[in-house]
Amino acid sequence: AQSVTQLGSHVSVSEGALVLLRCNYSSSVPPYLFWYVQYPNQGLQLLLKYTTGATLVKGINVFEAEFKKSETSFHLTKPSAHMSDAAEYFCAVSETGANNLFFGTGTRLTVIP
Amino acid sequence: GAVVSQHPSRVICKSGTSVKIECRSLDFQATTMFWYRQFPKKSLMLMATSNEGSKATYEQGVEKDKFLINHASLTLSTLTVTSAHPEDSSFYICSAAEPGASGYTFGSGTRLTVV
Repeated sequence: AQSVTQLGSHVSVSEGALVLLRCNYSSSVPPYLFWYVQYPNQGLQLLLKYTTGATLVKGINVFEAEFKKSETSFHLTKPSAHMSDAAEYFCAVSETGANNLFFGTGTRLTVIP
Repeated sequence: GAVVSQHPSRVICKSGTSVKIECRSLDFQATTMFWYRQFPKKSLMLMATSNEGSKATYEQGVEKDKFLINHASLTLSTLTVTSAHPEDSSFYICSAAEPGASGYTFGSGTRLTVV
């Protein structure tokens, strides 16, 4: 069975500061890991995903995440926050080859001017 | 890239009526689609897995007779909320996986308000 824990339901950063959103997962098999962003009243947009290979994954809008098996983590980072990054971010996991996603509870990112 | 279209984006209906939400894969065929429900300030809850040509698989606690799912073609799945009640008001999102891909594309969601 899989599960996802996102530490911090709400994160605030200043514009230009580092963004760090935490995600820990549990999975009995090698996982696929995802980060999605959701703007108000919209669906989810894929930021990045890890399947196999390189553990540092780069996504859209300069976001990246690193898969650390030993820590069962997949934290999302961005060097410099922009006002447009304010949104809800969801980490998700699926079992390799499986079809459905398990989501974390989400982290709302606020960017302070 | 893969695109999933969801319609309508917003709907308001009266209690007791039924509402149909459509989810279409625009440029790929999806044998499997997923329906999620999102409560305010909550994560997405998987409601059911929609399988083309067969019955949907519902998650525990989801009423099959209330949330009817039909996946009649490889590009269309529909969710019908029957005899809607105010507590059914929510944001419903569908997703589909492009064959051979390792990711999921989400629709833009449907905001259902039952009055």
